Amino acid sequence: DAKTTQPPSMDCAEGRAANLPCNHSTISGNEYVYWYRQIHSQGPQYIIHGLKNNETNEMASLIITEDRKSSTLILPHATLRDTAVYYCIVVPGYSTLTFGKGTMLLVSP
Amino acid sequence: GAVVSQHPSWVICKSGTSVKIECRSLDFQATTMFWYRQFPKQSLMLMATSNEGSKATYEQGVEKDKFLINHASLTLSTLTVTSAHPEDSSFYICSARAGDLNTEAFFGQGTRLTVV
Repeated sequence: DAKTTQPPSMDCAEGRAANLPCNHSTISGNEYVYWYRQIHSQGPQYIIHGLKNNETNEMASLIITEDRKSSTLILPHATLRDTAVYYCIVVPGYSTLTFGKGTMLLVSP
Repeated sequence: GAVVSQHPSWVICKSGTSVKIECRSLDFQATTMFWYRQFPKQSLMLMATSNEGSKATYEQGVEKDKFLINHASLTLSTLTVTSAHPEDSSFYICSARAGDLNTEAFFGQGTRLTVV
């Protein structure tokens, strides 16, 4: 599975957009980019995933660069409840998810 | 999204006893279930993968005789921690995936195990 690199922590003001970057320069053609988040003392929550096209759902948008070597998760209007650890995971479809250290996003009033 | 229910949410047990944790997929059939363990301030570590009706595949360093996994149906998997010790105290999380290609995995809410 391709290795991912995420900043250890980020801050965001409530109501502003949170843009979480992820580098995956060794991604293979059959590997998807998945994003999950984990709020303290809870199980991870699925956010979004994509292969090469940008994706949007009710929670977030996923922007994947044309060369697929990096991606950005966008939470358009962050709330205090979005404070969590965000994990970017790159694996072939239907493969086991392996978690790195993720990015701790702190949303402040 | 699909719902995965884990029970119990927390449990305290004495050293030497066994504890069973259940993981159920409530609205889909999970051909594959995963068990993770998470120590404080660390990321999730995969313990084992199980497919319905077959033996679980354990990750290196995970004792299969200590962490018994049963995936008897498409909606239920259980993890039994046998002869628990204080060092087994951790946050145990299950995950379930349907059989389709390119589907996301859904996670239970986790079980906090404390061995005293």
